[in-house]
Amino acid sequence: GEDVEQSLFLSVREGDSSVINCTYTDSSSTYLYWYKQEPGAGLQLLTYIFSNMDMKQDQRLTVLLNKKDKHLSLRIADTQTGDSAIYFCAESRRDSSASKIIFGSGTRLSIRP
Amino acid sequence: DAGVIQSPRHEVTEMGQEVTLRCKPISGHDYLFWYRQTMMRGLELLIYFNNNVPIDDSGMPEDRFSAKMPNASFSTLKIQPSEPRDSAVYFCASSFPGRYGYTFGSGTRLTVV
Repeated sequence: GEDVEQSLFLSVREGDSSVINCTYTDSSSTYLYWYKQEPGAGLQLLTYIFSNMDMKQDQRLTVLLNKKDKHLSLRIADTQTGDSAIYFCAESRRDSSASKIIFGSGTRLSIRP
Repeated sequence: DAGVIQSPRHEVTEMGQEVTLRCKPISGHDYLFWYRQTMMRGLELLIYFNNNVPIDDSGMPEDRFSAKMPNASFSTLKIQPSEPRDSAVYFCASSFPGRYGYTFGSGTRLTVV
């Protein structure tokens, strides 16, 4: 199947860490991505990880990949109000002639004071 | 680099009218994607092109939808005739294949009344 699944909502207190989880089904996925969508805007690539990596860190963002369980997570340290957005998990796979990215349904992150 | 440029940003039209959405991909990107985003269905891939050739249009909902890419710097998505259920945000994205993911435009918010 082509499913990439995420929970729909996450609420976090400002300053705490946010952890957004994702599961995917295709074991042949080559790259996995996290995109951020702010209100009224398009999706913006936050980070990506190659499928042979376990972890990637980029400033406040940490991506963990458990390939055995097909589980991807995004941790945002010291969550700020500007982190309020929808976060999309995505996987890429090759079909007959192109790399296609399959997106999850997105997790809406809200920050409470 | 101006990014992926979509026009118009907002479109309000009456049911039955023809609607044309436009996209200018990033120069040098050889893949172009059209997505539709709604609350009910999330992000749906409608069609994608490689080197101006349509590769997969299986996501196009009906014959009322058509897309063209006459050259490497321009694509259109046309809906004729439009219906209220076509109301959504339509995104265009472009990419090189593989790990760099897609670059999305800011979207066109279509409202059909």
